[in-house]
Amino acid sequence: AQTIHQWPVAEIKAVGSPLSLGCTIKGKSSPNLYWYWQATGGTLQQLFYSITVGQVESVVQLNLSASRPKDDQFILSTEKLLLSHSGFYLCAWSGGARNYAEQFFGPGTRLTVL
Amino acid sequence: QQKVQQSPESLSVPEGGMASLNCTSSDRNFQYFWWYRQHSGEGPKALMSIFSDGDKKEGRFTAHLNKASLHVSLHIRDSQPSDSALYFCAVSESNYNVLYFGSGTKLTVEP
Repeated sequence: AQTIHQWPVAEIKAVGSPLSLGCTIKGKSSPNLYWYWQATGGTLQQLFYSITVGQVESVVQLNLSASRPKDDQFILSTEKLLLSHSGFYLCAWSGGARNYAEQFFGPGTRLTVL
Repeated sequence: QQKVQQSPESLSVPEGGMASLNCTSSDRNFQYFWWYRQHSGEGPKALMSIFSDGDKKEGRFTAHLNKASLHVSLHIRDSQPSDSALYFCAVSESNYNVLYFGSGTKLTVEP
């Protein structure tokens, strides 16, 4: 069975500080990977996706960047946090083989920027 | 600009009742439609997909798609308190890796 793990579970950071969030998928080779941001009680906004190691596509610019250093790992980062970065960050994966593949979401990371 | 609109914003139904959620998109390039459900503090989970006009039933959940009007609905019969959650419509174009989520409907099922 596939499992998806996100770290950390929650973070409280200062404006202007750097950030790194991680996501690991086990039990699935060559998954498509995704990052989403969600304001409290709001909709999900897709940020990035990656279909292979080393390649990341940006969907929306929010002063964030993403990298895929390994087949099973996806990293979201920024050098300078803004207040607007607060929210819930979700990583997801899909099988990628079909053009209608379901996305499976992780438990999320709650980020508070002060 | 929100590409996917949902209504109502919130909905309250009694246990055992029927809940009806609506979703309308503004882009005729959308081809694939999903319903996701998110319980508080968790990641969303897919309920069902629908890609062809008409109805699709899975257990207590029925989705209806009308591509001509870009409208998809979700009906939950025999609603249970555990169905209380945020429900999102999600759509994608030919690039299935980009998924657009709707504004969401908060469903409360009262015991």
